[in-house]
Amino acid sequence: GIQVEQSPPDLILQEGANSTLRCNFSDSVNNLQWFHQNPWGQLINLFYIPSGTKQNGRLSATTVATERYSLLYISSSQTTDSGVYFCAVELNTGFQKLVFGTGTRLLVSP
Amino acid sequence: GAVVSQHPSWVICKSGTSVKIECRSLDFQATTMFWYRQFPKQSLMLMATSNEGSKATYEQGVEKDKFLINHASLTLSTLTVTSAHPEDSSFYICSAPPGLAGVYLLGDTQYFGPGTRLTVL
Repeated sequence: GIQVEQSPPDLILQEGANSTLRCNFSDSVNNLQWFHQNPWGQLINLFYIPSGTKQNGRLSATTVATERYSLLYISSSQTTDSGVYFCAVELNTGFQKLVFGTGTRLLVSP
Repeated sequence: GAVVSQHPSWVICKSGTSVKIECRSLDFQATTMFWYRQFPKQSLMLMATSNEGSKATYEQGVEKDKFLINHASLTLSTLTVTSAHPEDSSFYICSAPPGLAGVYLLGDTQYFGPGTRLTVL
């Protein structure tokens, strides 16, 4: 099956720092989403980004589908950005089935 | 935005008992809902696809007789963990893409419930 790997697995930042999270996937996909899972477990949609670049405030994402990777940029990080970031890909054969990546655990310290 | 709720948010039960978890789409209808399981410090794994009016489809390795799924209406899916054992302790999350019969709204994204934490003693 498809492999979805994220890097780095863990990241510690000082408040105000910038970071880049990466998502590599091993096969072509229909779509890709980025999620933030907060400390209570709630998944929050960040981006729906099958290709190209999108920005939302301090966050932006870029997906290069032909090279099978996506990047999530966090600028001027805040303590509330802490949590786990997942990318998830929608398979070509699946009816909106999502395969989640391995996750990046982010801790932003004050 | 679209909202998905789950009930209960947490449950503790004794080994051998059955537990029912509800997933509701509050402001949209969904022909399909998905159930995921997440063990501590791990990623989400898709367990099954819940289809309104028909049988659920299960991912490889998921026991359909143990995890019973019923999609009773366009806004409600239930997951029943039968004869639960400590190894079933996990965080169960549902999701729903808004839409009916393949026609999707709201940019085709999926919305996730807040999850249910199950602990089996």
